[in-house]
Amino acid sequence: QQQVKQSPQSLIVQKGGISIINCAYENTAFDYFPWYQQFPGKGPALLIAIRPDVSEKKEGRFTISFNKSAKQFSLHIMDSQPGDSATYFCAATLNSGGYQKVTFGTGTKLQVIP
Amino acid sequence: GAVVSQHPSRVICKSGTSVKIECRSLDFQATTMFWYRQFPKKSLMLMATSNEGSKATYEQGVEKDKFLINHASLTLSTLTVTSAHPEDSSFYICSALLAGGGSGEQFFGPGTRLTVL
Repeated sequence: QQQVKQSPQSLIVQKGGISIINCAYENTAFDYFPWYQQFPGKGPALLIAIRPDVSEKKEGRFTISFNKSAKQFSLHIMDSQPGDSATYFCAATLNSGGYQKVTFGTGTKLQVIP
Repeated sequence: GAVVSQHPSRVICKSGTSVKIECRSLDFQATTMFWYRQFPKKSLMLMATSNEGSKATYEQGVEKDKFLINHASLTLSTLTVTSAHPEDSSFYICSALLAGGGSGEQFFGPGTRLTVL
């Protein structure tokens, strides 16, 4: 059962444009929503994260928008750069057995073309 | 801070042999570490949760006897793929939970590419 759905699967954006990746979740027990960036052959790195009591969080060119009632959240990358080309995973976590268990989305491969 | 390393980064082995992958938290202590498996162009799938000094907790469908996990210290967890077969070829990634770091504060290693011939 895929608890975190992510779209699109792939995305091509012109340099300077806005990249938008969407995610939806089912389990209302999730209490933390991180986004990860992964380059080929590397492990994922935490990019930005949000808690469900906040509707928006911005860090530099990266913004998370969160809609708790719709159980949806999205990542916006402003002024996209070729260096942003990577695979992005949304995730949702919940407390399980005393630690946070992470459920990943299916991933979005972003390509920013000059 | 919060750096996680994995060794080796790549390993090629013959079918039937065992392979050990190390995961280390370099500058912090991690009572909990996680092991993930990632197939090409796919998401990360949690295999097991490793707690220091206790037995690992495996996800449904993951063979405990095939994927041996040991978390002997607060900075080291190992994953041993026993009697490896070509279908075990994959990208294995560990993560470490920063103690007291709050929700979702997992830091990921760079991954280990396993190829079984």
